[in-house]
Formats: sequence, C-alpha cells, structure tokens
Amino acid sequence: DSGVTQTPKHLITATGQRVTLRCSPRSGDLSVYWYQQSLDQGLQFLIQYYNGEERAKGNILERFSAQQFPDLHSELNLSSLELGDSALYFCASSTSGARYGYTFGSGTRLTVV
Amino acid sequence: ELKVEQNPLFLSMQEGKNYTIYCNYSTTSDRLYWYRQDPGKSLESLFVLLSNGAVKQEGRLMASLDTKARLSTLHITAAVHDLSATYFCAGGEGSEKLVFGKGTKLTVNP
Repeated sequence: DSGVTQTPKHLITATGQRVTLRCSPRSGDLSVYWYQQSLDQGLQFLIQYYNGEERAKGNILERFSAQQFPDLHSELNLSSLELGDSALYFCASSTSGARYGYTFGSGTRLTVV
Repeated sequence: ELKVEQNPLFLSMQEGKNYTIYCNYSTTSDRLYWYRQDPGKSLESLFVLLSNGAVKQEGRLMASLDTKARLSTLHITAAVHDLSATYFCAGGEGSEKLVFGKGTKLTVNP
C-alpha cells in the first residue's frame, strides 16, 4: 500500500455521462497530481494541485476538471464522456515539489461504453 | 517542452542475460526518475537521479544519469523472471511536473 488511495478502482459508464474520481494523498503530502494512462498516449500529465490551489496544468480537456479540498483529498471530474476517455487514471502525491518524485495510487480504470 | 524517449519499447530476454534500457530526453532536466509498473498495477518508484554522473543500484538493476548527453540508462544484470514488467523513465520539467517516456515492456523468459 503506497498510502495514496484512489476510488473507485473500476468504473464502467456510458458515453455522455459524468463521473468523479477520488484521491486521498499520502499523509503529510500537500501536492496531488493526476495522470491519464492510455495505450496510445502513454502517461499524460493532466493537472496538479498544491494545498488546495491549482499549480500546473497539462493536457487536460475542457470536459475535465479537478479540485483539491481543505482535507487535501482531490477529485477529478470527467463529463460528456467519450469512448476515447477510457483509460487508467492515476493520482500521485508528493510532500512539496516533485524533486524526489511522486508516490502513485493504484489507479481508477475507466471504461466508457 | 521536455520530451522523453525510451528504447527499446519491447525487450524479450533470457534469464541470466544482461541488457540496458536507454532513456533520452530533449531539453535540460536536472533530474531523472525510473518507475516500474506490473500489468494493471500502479507505478513503483525505483530510482531518483538528481545530478550528473549519479549512479544508483538496487539488486539486479542499476541506473545512471549523464545530463550532458541527456541520457539515462537502466542496466539489468543476470535477469530473472520477477523483473518482467514495464519500466518507465521520466524527466523533471519545472519544479513539479514529470514527463514520462512510453515505457519499455520487459519480458524475461526462462
């Protein structure tokens, strides 16, 4: 157990729907990062939050949004889902900067049918 | 924008053999990371390389970093089946973001 908790582990939903993925960072970590892993695109950085504030943004679609709450857990909201959104979504956390790398959660496998 | 390329993308090797995975990156980065991923599982941190010439070893795996050549290597010594996994390198971009390569899928055959 890495200490980074993601729920749910698996999610199957229909096109056009909206889902919320949840992440609780490792105790003491203030930064949360979201990555999407797909076969064709590999691991793509989506967004980062630090202590409740958005810090960096990557290749995140406008249909996707995220936030980090005062208790430091984070949620990634995916809306108007398309078949191409099917992927593994990872959350990672770090204490402050990413200098020593991230600790990853076990991921949420999203399947859009 | 940092780009990270790994090669080979697929590697099939016999137990007991040695091999090296290469990781090239496109712009200056002062840190390089190696992760391991088993099928359907999370990414596990293997090595963090923070300076030119850094070398780290853990068991049968050794990683090195040459920032002047923009190259990191992951050397596998006397491979065993348990090392079968996908290995990712990632470069640090800015203070927060890691940019990952596409991964090298390693299969070690008996």
